[in-house]
Amino acid sequence: NAGVTQTPKFQVLKTGQSMTLQCAQDMNHNSMYWYRQDPGMGLRLIYYSASEGTTDKGEVPNGYNVSRLNKREFSLRLESAAPSQTSVYFCAEGQGTDTQYFGPGTRLTVL
Amino acid sequence: GENVEQHPSTLSVQEGDSAVIKCTYSDSASNYFPWYKQELGKRPQLIIDIRSNVGEKKDQRIAVTLNKTAKHFSLHITETQPEDSAVYFCAASNDYKLSFGAGTTVTVRA
Repeated sequence: NAGVTQTPKFQVLKTGQSMTLQCAQDMNHNSMYWYRQDPGMGLRLIYYSASEGTTDKGEVPNGYNVSRLNKREFSLRLESAAPSQTSVYFCAEGQGTDTQYFGPGTRLTVL
Repeated sequence: GENVEQHPSTLSVQEGDSAVIKCTYSDSASNYFPWYKQELGKRPQLIIDIRSNVGEKKDQRIAVTLNKTAKHFSLHITETQPEDSAVYFCAASNDYKLSFGAGTTVTVRA
């Protein structure tokens, strides 16, 4: 029972490149989330999925897309990476509308 | 949307003393208030939470209080130990979405 897993752990991209961050949970919970964490700014919600088949924008969705592939998996895609997207990305999952548990994170650098 | 403010941004305490972190929120509809601890290079981990129908909750050396009227909530850590050194985040939730404070870096001096 790994909880939430994320791949990759680290990634370096050049400006304009695309990539997909993967997240999977084995808790059989409905809700999944993507956050970014930047120094001094806490965690900011990018997108979330309250249940399989639904996705909604969070606080900072511009430049990102998401796919809720099934109940277990929620991916985050950067179509054309920019230096401003250099950050640590955390996936989280939860049951219901509140308690969330985080994955180990992906550290992304865009040059 | 919800706006959560957290103070102080840094806190240094002597081992054995207490630490208090305060947060305010803007949306009166928020009904769930978790606190997360994040060690360097690690994921945020839930340490305690409180719901809007409760005024106080304790778990060993950690307690959280909530004042719905004033829209603020606080984390209290008693008898601090070196392993309490970390960044602490408060958050407020309404309808699936958590809004986080900017974090407090707590350093416990031996």
